[in-house]
Parts: sequence; structure tokens; C-alpha cells
Amino acid sequence: GENVEQHPSTLSVQEGDSAVIKCTYSDSASNYFPWYKQELGKRPQLIIDIRSNVGEKKDQRIAVTLNKTAKHFSLHITETQPEDSAVYFCAASNTGNQFYFGTGTSLTVIP
Amino acid sequence: GAVVSQHPSRVICKSGTSVKIECRSLDFQATTMFWYRQFPKQSLMLMATSNEGSKATYEQGVEKDKFLINHASLTLSTLTVTSAHPEDSSFYICSASTGGRTEAFFGQGTRLTVV
Repeated sequence: GENVEQHPSTLSVQEGDSAVIKCTYSDSASNYFPWYKQELGKRPQLIIDIRSNVGEKKDQRIAVTLNKTAKHFSLHITETQPEDSAVYFCAASNTGNQFYFGTGTSLTVIP
Repeated sequence: GAVVSQHPSRVICKSGTSVKIECRSLDFQATTMFWYRQFPKQSLMLMATSNEGSKATYEQGVEKDKFLINHASLTLSTLTVTSAHPEDSSFYICSASTGGRTEAFFGQGTRLTVV
């Protein structure tokens, strides 16, 4: 099956700085890559996603890049704010049939 | 976005008893539902994938006789933890997707504590 690796496991940044989280996947058939934000004790919330026919997608302060050849994708958060503090998960999916998650990154934005 | 409701949000049961967790898609038809287990400060581990009207596909290492999954309708899937033991204590989350969309939407999770 698919194996998704995520780095770093913890990340601390000063408010206003950028944060980057990277993921790699193993299954070349994966074609959908969502990113989720999970606050403590709550459900994961989809924040951005990208499909394999696109190399980059941006939504305000959040962007995702995908390199299909290298099988890696990254989440970029610019102008970080304290409310961005949470655990972020990347995932890889093959047309929505199965979702495999990375190990998560605990992001702390220091005011 | 689509709404997925999971019930109960918290349950405490005695060792040896069975617990049923429900996952409902409220405003869309979920052709596929996923069940995950999440340990504290860890990622979501996919346990099984269920398609409406067919048997669930379990991930390697997940006991199908212990974690019974039923997806009897397009809006409801259930996970039954049979003969629960303390090591089954965990956070269980479902998610659902439709045939027309690849996004998966999550339920709020169920905190299971086996005493």
C-alpha cells in the first residue's frame, strides 16, 4: 500500500514567519493530496488540496506544491499567526478510494 | 462542505463488552467510508475502507473479527469493537467521500475508553 512520510514532526516559528511542511509518498497511482489541520480533540479539517495534474495551488496564506516525478508535496504557510498553531497532516489518495496520512507536524506559532 | 456526524463522541465501557460507533453523512450520499484510529499525538491510522453494500477492506494488521464494519446504506456506516480490552482505548474517526468527489470529510471522532 501507500506509504506517506512527513517532516518535520514539530515546528516552531515566530509569528509572521513562514512555515513549510514536506511529505513524500510511494505509490505513483496516488493522484489526490489533501492537507488537514487538526486542533486538539477535534476532527481534521481540510485546508487545501491538490490534484496530480496541477503543480501548485494557493489559497490566501496557504499554498501547496506537488512534484509528481519526485513524489513529494509541500505545504507552505506564510505570515503565520498564533491561530495557525495545530497539528497538520498530509495525505495521499488514489481517486478517493483510500486515504493514507502522514505522521503529522505539530506547528507552534510563537507570538 | 459536507457534514459527517459521528456518535457517540465519548464512550466508556467495561472490558469484554462490545461498543458500536456510528458514522453518518448528513447531506450527501457516501459511497465510501473510512475508519481511522488515532493514538495521542500520532497520526490517523487507516483501519478499513467500506463501500456501501459490500464487505469492508481491512488494512494489514487490523483484526476484522474484532472491528466489525457495516456500511448498510449510503448514509450510515458502523464500527463495532467487539470484546473490547483496555488496549482498544483510542480515538476513532470516520470519514466519508462520494463517488463524484475525491475529498473526504471527517466525523468529530469517538473517544473510547475501556476499563
